Amino acid sequence: QQQVKQSPQSLIVQKGGISIINCAYENTAFDYFPWYQQFPGKGPALLIAIRPDVSEKKEGRFTISFNKSAKQFSLHIMDSQPGDSATYFCAASQGSGNTGKLIFGQGTTLQVKP
Amino acid sequence: GAVVSQHPSWVICKSGTSVKIECRSLDFQATTMFWYRQFPKQSLMLMATSNEGSKATYEQGVEKDKFLINHASLTLSTLTVTSAHPEDSSFYICSARQGFGGYTFGSGTRLTVV
Repeated sequence: QQQVKQSPQSLIVQKGGISIINCAYENTAFDYFPWYQQFPGKGPALLIAIRPDVSEKKEGRFTISFNKSAKQFSLHIMDSQPGDSATYFCAASQGSGNTGKLIFGQGTTLQVKP
Repeated sequence: GAVVSQHPSWVICKSGTSVKIECRSLDFQATTMFWYRQFPKQSLMLMATSNEGSKATYEQGVEKDKFLINHASLTLSTLTVTSAHPEDSSFYICSARQGFGGYTFGSGTRLTVV
């Protein structure tokens, strides 16, 4: 119930294309769904996050789509750039809960080809 | 924005010795801190959650006596890897949270036990 399943494991996209990464969760008590970007040897950095009361959130080239009934959410990176090449993690937490543990998906390695 | 400083960024130690990793919230009070472990090309695995002034809560399978966590103040948490062995070599990352706010991650510590 605590798992967050992420796909695909790896993704290759041409420069200017759209990168799409998907995640699914089981625990309906989760109420905070962030996406993180991580470069090698660095800690994860927050890209964008959503709460279940909205179905979509957009910040610049990054959009989260959220489907509460399907218990799925996805990250769309528009106009993908070589600098976006990194590992992306979805996560979920019961943010208002006592512990607020953040559970991570398995990660997606994105390569954007010039 | 919220900043979490993690130190050291990398450390090499001899088998059998102990290593301490510090995690500081620089511009906010971290009521909750989390410690993660990440093996190469894998996701972040939560090790423990600590609230200021109370004992840490460890995830299943994490040895409490090997990974000592102290959260003595609202801005500092430490992880001590005791009697380190080569299998403890990993990337350790802390995260801090103020109340029910977002999660801010440190830059990680690469531990190599030789």
